[in-house]
Amino acid sequence: GENVEQHPSTLSVQEGDSAVIKCTYSDSASNYFPWYKQELGKRPQLIIDIRSNVGEKKDQRIAVTLNKTAKHFSLHITETQPEDSAVYFCAASKAGYSTLTFGKGTMLLVSP
Amino acid sequence: DAGVTQSPTHLIKTRGQQVTLRCSPKSGHDTVSWYQQALGQGPQFIFQYYEEEERQRGNFPDRFSGHQFPNYSSELNVNALLLGDSALYLCASSLYRTGIEAFFGQGTRLTVV
Repeated sequence: GENVEQHPSTLSVQEGDSAVIKCTYSDSASNYFPWYKQELGKRPQLIIDIRSNVGEKKDQRIAVTLNKTAKHFSLHITETQPEDSAVYFCAASKAGYSTLTFGKGTMLLVSP
Repeated sequence: DAGVTQSPTHLIKTRGQQVTLRCSPKSGHDTVSWYQQALGQGPQFIFQYYEEEERQRGNFPDRFSGHQFPNYSSELNVNALLLGDSALYLCASSLYRTGIEAFFGQGTRLTVV
């Protein structure tokens, strides 16, 4: 089955800095890669996703890049703000299936 | 439009007991997937229901079972509870095999003592 590795497990940055979280996946058939943000005690919320026919996608301060050959994808957050502090999960899914395989998460702490 | 709703929000059970968790999917969605999230870990897929049948299953024992009703709502049942079953149980709804993003409920925090 699919295996998703996520690094780093914790990331501390100063407000205004950029943050990068990286994930690798094992199943070359996976073609949908969402990123979820989970604040303490709350549900995971989708913040951005990318499909395998696209190499990069941006949404304001958030961007995701995908390298299908190397089977890795990354989340980039620019101009970080304290409210970006949360646990971020990457996930992978196969075409047409809605089951997700998650990474173990990255705790992002943005200090003012 | 209500999102995905789960009940109860918190539950405390004794080892060996049985528990039932409930999920109502987002309006317009027909597929419900259940995930277990242990403390400090990512969600792990338990199983997925579509058209009242279990369509996919993750690496969980038979103590974990489920059901989907004609209105697309779903239940997760866990028998013979173990201490290790303590976790946040998340329900996610989607449209079957469309690749549409999954929406998560708030989860049920199960504590087994």
